[in-house]
Amino acid sequence: EAAVTQSPRNKVAVTGGKVTLSCNQTNNHNNMYWYRQDTGHGLRLIHYSYGAGSTEKGDIPDGYKASRPSQENFSLILELATPSQTSVYFCASGDRANSDYTFGSGTRLLVI
Amino acid sequence: GEKVEQHESTLSVREGDSAVINCTYTDTASSYFPWYKQEAGKSLHFVIDIRSNVDRKQSQRLIVLLDKKAKRFSLHITATQPEDSAIYFCAAASSGSWQLIFGSGTQLTVMP
Repeated sequence: EAAVTQSPRNKVAVTGGKVTLSCNQTNNHNNMYWYRQDTGHGLRLIHYSYGAGSTEKGDIPDGYKASRPSQENFSLILELATPSQTSVYFCASGDRANSDYTFGSGTRLLVI
Repeated sequence: GEKVEQHESTLSVREGDSAVINCTYTDTASSYFPWYKQEAGKSLHFVIDIRSNVDRKQSQRLIVLLDKKAKRFSLHITATQPEDSAIYFCAAASSGSWQLIFGSGTQLTVMP
């Protein structure tokens, strides 16, 4: 069954440390997305990608980098984590032709 | 860029009644409008969508209406059941970028 898998499910990081959130999709979708969810804000787009090797900035990219080494994998990197980046992060994949977006189960990140 | 406003942050209805959630968007180029449901502590699941070439779509108890002139779309849940209780998100995407931009979410509670 096609799916989007995120790891880790939960992460505690220290301020100033590096955090990498991983996402793998088996949908063979070209597009992948990283969102963060905070109460009162809904989901906000951080970075997205149209295919292997491409990354684009979303609405709130500051403090985040992204990497898309392959069709299946899309990572979100926090080089210097801050407490304001405590949130729930969702990865999604989408196919422009079918308008079919699938979300992962989310990663709960706590930066202390 | 696109902005999506979701007008009801909370909504309570009696079981069997209808629930209506309203969203507005800003980008006239937006052409795809999906709705997602999120149960407590879980990921987002697609429930229904509408494209800009139609103004009404129904799937069982779910109806989506789109008013392109007013840049407004709405989700109607008829004959509500307790299991409809969840957070509902509206979203919009343009055919040019296929970035899904989300509203802030509506917490729907269906009371027995």
